[in-house]
Amino acid sequence: DIQMTQSPSTLSASVGDRVTITCRASQSISTWLAWYQQKPGKAPKLLMYGASSLESGVPSRFSGSGSGTEFSLTISSLQSDDFATYYCQQYNSYWTFGQGTKVEIK
Amino acid sequence: QVQLVQSGAEVKNPGASVKISCKASGYTFTGYSMHWVRQAPGQGPEWMGWINANSGDTNFAQKFQGRVTMTRDTSISTVYMDLSRLRSDDTAIYYCARGIGWYTPMDYWGQGTLVTVSS
Repeated sequence: DIQMTQSPSTLSASVGDRVTITCRASQSISTWLAWYQQKPGKAPKLLMYGASSLESGVPSRFSGSGSGTEFSLTISSLQSDDFATYYCQQYNSYWTFGQGTKVEIK
Repeated sequence: QVQLVQSGAEVKNPGASVKISCKASGYTFTGYSMHWVRQAPGQGPEWMGWINANSGDTNFAQKFQGRVTMTRDTSISTVYMDLSRLRSDDTAIYYCARGIGWYTPMDYWGQGTLVTVSS
């Protein structure tokens, strides 16, 4: 099974900050990686797929990069609506999620 | 618009079974697959398996094989997930999520169904 490890587990930031979340796969997954945003009491929402392709309707302040085993999600200027938990997911071999990164208000 | 509407919360005793439904609308039901993903309190999501809504073919995570069944009724655009021999650590929110096939993520999700396993 492919394991996904995210860092940090929690990130404290302010509105307007640039934040980056990293995700590491236990083996190469090419660019078969997605990012999801989840708010309390809600289902995850697809933000990005193919490591760097933005899902329709997602603001352009979100960007993704990486390939192989190292990936990152960047929010260029954090907005109040962005405080949430973010999960990476590999879909190279079945589907596996990371443990999540909670972005909280500093 | 695409909508996935799941059945309501369940409380079950250990050893029992639970069956959750997920009704799809807003797209061609048989053109997609449906995943089931669960999320225990404070944990990340966990993929359980999927069903091809056209063929009915299924594929399950090894952890759940032998305990999970997924079926669909194309006449009412609904998929079902049945989990048997429930244990306390099966307490979680269970989600259905639309997929297209291998090498694709999940683009639409149901609202989730809380299953509580407790004696």
